[in-house]
Amino acid sequence: EVQLVQSGAEVKKPGESLRISCKGSGYTFSDYWITWVRQTPGKGLEWMGRINPSDSYSEYSPSFQGHVTISADKSISTVYLQWSSLKASDTAMYYCVRRGYCSRGRCYNWFDYWGQGTLVTVSS
Amino acid sequence: QSALTQPASVSGSPGQSITISCTGTTSDVGGYHYVSWYQHHPGKVPKLMIYDVTNRPSGVSNRFSGSKSGNTASLTISGLQAEDEADYYCSSFTSSGTFFVFGTGTKVTVL
Repeated sequence: EVQLVQSGAEVKKPGESLRISCKGSGYTFSDYWITWVRQTPGKGLEWMGRINPSDSYSEYSPSFQGHVTISADKSISTVYLQWSSLKASDTAMYYCVRRGYCSRGRCYNWFDYWGQGTLVTVSS
Repeated sequence: QSALTQPASVSGSPGQSITISCTGTTSDVGGYHYVSWYQHHPGKVPKLMIYDVTNRPSGVSNRFSGSKSGNTASLTISGLQAEDEADYYCSSFTSSGTFFVFGTGTKVTVL
C-alpha cells in the first residue's frame, strides 16, 4: 500500500527555523517526484515546489522561491520542507503529494497520493 | 497566478446528479489536458478522483466523471450518495511559473 506519512504538528515563533518531513512507503521512492502543497483558509491550496528524489533536483513556485527549501534523502525515502526564518504568514497546513511531473515523454500531471498533512502554527 | 474558480457550494438530493465547474484561462485549463479533481473529507487525506480531464483512477466509482469545454472543466457526480458529501478541488497544469494551480474548492452537500 502506497503511503506518505508526514511529521507531526509544529508550533513555532516568528524567526525560528523548521523542517518537516514526508516519508514514502509501498513503492519505489526514487521513481516518483514529490510536491509540497500549502493550504490556508485565505488562499486555499497552493503549489509550492517539487523534488525528484532520485537526484534531488527541485523546482519552486516564484511565490515560495527563496523562502523554503525542499530536499530529499532517498536512502530513507524521505522528503523535507524547511524554513530558515518563519513568518506568521507561514501558518498553514502543508501536504506532501506524489507525482505532478513529466518524464521520458510522458506526463503525470496529477497527485495520486497525499500525506495526512502537517499543521504549522507560527505565533509570537 | 490566480486560483481556478469553483462555486463555493453545490447541493443535491440522494440519487440526483450534480456538476461542479472549474474555470481558468487559456494558460491552464483551456490550454492543457491536465485537469484533475480531488475529494477531501475533513480530517482525512485528499483523494484523487479524476486525472487528465476524464480519466478515473482504479477504485474510483464510475459515478464520478470529468469533462472540459474551453476554459472550464467540470466534475459530475451521478447517483449522489451521502458519502459524496465532501470538499472538492480541481487542479490544472499551468504555463505560469507555478507549474500547477488549484481551484478555490466546492463544498458538496447531500440534502
